[in-house]
Amino acid sequence: AQKITQTQPGMFVQEKEAVTLDCTYDTSDQSYGLFWYKQPSSGEMIFLIYQGSYDEQNATEGRYSLNFQKARKSANLVISASQLGDSAMYFCAMRSLIQGAQKLVFGQGTRLTINP
Amino acid sequence: DTAVSQTPKYLVTQMGNDKSIKCEQNLGHDTMYWYKQDSKKFLKIMFSYNNKELIINETVPNRFSPKSPDKAHLNLHINSLELGDSAVYFCASSPAWSSYNSPLHFGNGTRLTVT
Repeated sequence: AQKITQTQPGMFVQEKEAVTLDCTYDTSDQSYGLFWYKQPSSGEMIFLIYQGSYDEQNATEGRYSLNFQKARKSANLVISASQLGDSAMYFCAMRSLIQGAQKLVFGQGTRLTINP
Repeated sequence: DTAVSQTPKYLVTQMGNDKSIKCEQNLGHDTMYWYKQDSKKFLKIMFSYNNKELIINETVPNRFSPKSPDKAHLNLHINSLELGDSAVYFCASSPAWSSYNSPLHFGNGTRLTVT
């Protein structure tokens, strides 16, 4: 069975600092995908970044990068130069494919608060 | 243009009632999903339909019945509502599996409160 663990229930960071949100996973699949989603207080789920298990390069999307360490089974999200608008819940998720459907298993989430 | 839209946004009802949540996507995706987010913010998949065919059914009580009249719609009907059904329900969609790195697109959620 797949499992995602986010060990930081909450994090507090000063504006403009970089922040790393931890995510470890467990799977016996050789092929899988890892996603990060942001959920602001308004409630919507916003896709941030994706990393495939066979991707050799770490994924980057603007201020977001994913520190993928396959041997350690970790997929940490790094946000550079944090902004007040980054305050939100952040979810790591692992994807498996089932007959064309993407089944996402989510971690417990990390609540990030950016202080001015 | 809203990509994945759910109605209603809020739903307050009493135990024992039957209610439905509607979902529509205009992205042309083949696959649609229902996820449940509980009071501790934990998200779990409930169902997935691919081209109107049920693909994933995750040990959900049979009081929950998804219905997909066409590829763009996936509704969730809940019978005999219980207090424990209170949660936020998210609809989502994704393109064909060949677009393996395409993320799920989520609707804005329906907050269901059972009193």
